Amino acid sequence: KAGVTQTPRYLIKTRGQQVTLSCSPISGHRSVSWYQQTPGQGLQFLFEYFSETQRNKGNFPGRFSGRQFSNSRSEMNVSTLELGDSALYLCASSSWEDYIGELFFGEGSRLTVL
Amino acid sequence: AQSVSQHNHHVILSEAASLELGCNYSYGGTVNLFWYVQYPGQHLQLLLKYFSGDPLVKGIKGFEAEFIKSKFSFNLRKPSVQWSDTAEYFCAVNARHQLIWGAGTKLIIKP
Repeated sequence: KAGVTQTPRYLIKTRGQQVTLSCSPISGHRSVSWYQQTPGQGLQFLFEYFSETQRNKGNFPGRFSGRQFSNSRSEMNVSTLELGDSALYLCASSSWEDYIGELFFGEGSRLTVL
Repeated sequence: AQSVSQHNHHVILSEAASLELGCNYSYGGTVNLFWYVQYPGQHLQLLLKYFSGDPLVKGIKGFEAEFIKSKFSFNLRKPSVQWSDTAEYFCAVNARHQLIWGAGTKLIIKP
């Protein structure tokens, strides 16, 4: 069974640009969640989607947005990039409808903002 | 607000030493508790989980954790560590449909 796939793995952007990250969950998993990982802040929850609906959202500004498609694939978008957005963005999928946290993670998309 | 506290940010041990990593959480309701591990260059993976029942749970690679409700703790243990256990360990709590993470503990095992 293929794992969670995130693309691109690495990307470099400049301040003010926008970026879209993609995540393909494990086949059959309908819950997809996104996390930001930085050395200073650790793992921070961004949002979670289930069957195309955002069920939960973390404490991030509106520049961070996401969506989920009918095939459970998900994208997240960050607009007007800031230096502080440099981070590893992790996607995780779950087969649990109730989202009780048994997550399978991708390898992440490492974003560098210059 | 809910929070998870991991007591040690960096731990250095020699091979065969015993390991205990502390994790405390603040949340008054029913919780599900997890330990995840991130080996160098690899993705986060589940080490073990507690949902209900026996408070002593066993995970992969000889790890175990004990849930003590009265202390709001979920400490990770391993009787004898190996060099391959070098990794970052994260405690997490699922409360109200999101995972709340501890800051992580970087564990280095000296061969």
